[in-house]
Amino acid sequence: EDQVTQSPEALRLQEGESSSLNCSYTVSGLRGLFWYRQDPGKGPEFLFTLYSAGEEKEKERLKATLTKKESFLHITAPKPEDSATYLCAVLGGKLIFGQGTELSVKP
Amino acid sequence: DTEVTQTPKHLVMGMTNKKSLKCEQHMGHRAMYWYKQKAKKPPELMFVYSYEKLSINESVPSRFSPECPNSSLLNLHLHALQPEDSALYLCASSSRDRAYNEQFFGPGTRLTVL
Repeated sequence: EDQVTQSPEALRLQEGESSSLNCSYTVSGLRGLFWYRQDPGKGPEFLFTLYSAGEEKEKERLKATLTKKESFLHITAPKPEDSATYLCAVLGGKLIFGQGTELSVKP
Repeated sequence: DTEVTQTPKHLVMGMTNKKSLKCEQHMGHRAMYWYKQKAKKPPELMFVYSYEKLSINESVPSRFSPECPNSSLLNLHLHALQPEDSALYLCASSSRDRAYNEQFFGPGTRLTVL
């Protein structure tokens, strides 16, 4: 059965304190791994797609990487406006979202 | 216009009511999606429409009935819902079918079933 697990569930950082979010997955025939950002009361906003192990994508303070078993979302020198829930989703036979990591960045 | 709109923002209904959720996009996208999201949980894909035809139904109970009247509009008809159906219902669209990496999401309709 396809599974996606994100850790930690919640993460509190000080502004400028870099860290990483993890997305572990088990899927037969990975067709894509997606990272989204979701602010409270809003729909998810697409961030990155990764297709194969070794692939990396960057956007501003965010960098996503992919191995055969997991993906990391690295946040460098975060700012308070980066506070949100970050969702990972994998596409195998169907699209499955992880539970999300709630990130809080304090000034 | 790069926006997906959803109405109403909030909806409270009884278990015997019939109501509809509406989603609209004017980006010329040919695929539209319905998701259900419970509090503190991830979105769950419900339906996918491609070129106004239902292409995916993720085993959703028949009390949820989707409809795509035209390429810009997606409805979700609700009938005889249960309290456990209370959730945020999200609509999304993409230019290509099942292009999950290109989806634009609406703000959602928060549904409460009494």
